Amino acid sequence: DAGVTQSPTHLIKTRGQQVTLRCSPKSGHDTVSWYQQALGQGPQFIFQYYEEEERQRGNFPDRFSGHQFPNYSSELNVNALLLGDSALYLCASSLDRGGYNEQFFGPGTRLTVL
Amino acid sequence: LAKTTQPISMDSYEGQEVNITCSHNNIATNDYITWYQQFPSQGPRFIIQGYKTKVTNEVASLFIPADRKSSTLSLPRVSLSDTAVYYCLVAPISSGSARQLTFGSGTQLTVLP
Repeated sequence: DAGVTQSPTHLIKTRGQQVTLRCSPKSGHDTVSWYQQALGQGPQFIFQYYEEEERQRGNFPDRFSGHQFPNYSSELNVNALLLGDSALYLCASSLDRGGYNEQFFGPGTRLTVL
Repeated sequence: LAKTTQPISMDSYEGQEVNITCSHNNIATNDYITWYQQFPSQGPRFIIQGYKTKVTNEVASLFIPADRKSSTLSLPRVSLSDTAVYYCLVAPISSGSARQLTFGSGTQLTVLP
């Protein structure tokens, strides 16, 4: 049983560019959350997708957007990249009806903005 | 969401028991306490969760006093591979509603040989 997978593993972009990160949730999971983790900090919640809709959003600008597909996989899009967007982007999946705070995290995508 | 406070770092030696305490003075009645572990360049991994008294699994134990204003993660007989950042989180459990995990800065545990 594959866990959460993310692609790509590493990415280098320049300021002003746009980036798309991808996530496949753990088998059987229907909810996907995205987190940003800056160096030396804990992960910060960006947003969560359930039933192909954004259900909750953290304190991130509209440059950060996402999508969830019918197979529950998800994409995170970031427009007009800033140097401060350099971070590890983590995807986590969970089961909505689980009634539990266990989320399964992927290995992350390391984004570097030059 | 309840705020948590935990030590920035801790050192231990192989084979010792390690206790990491987390303070959450404004925990709500329906909040649960959850601990995650994170190795470098990996996503966090769920360790244990509890509401009150004591919870034990194959990895760790979680002790929660009656007032629930703090909790202690106990790792028995640590090894070098337990070197990681440990996060304490407080959040309600509610099926069918959005759940965001709020991470603090965590505790960097370093296990020495």
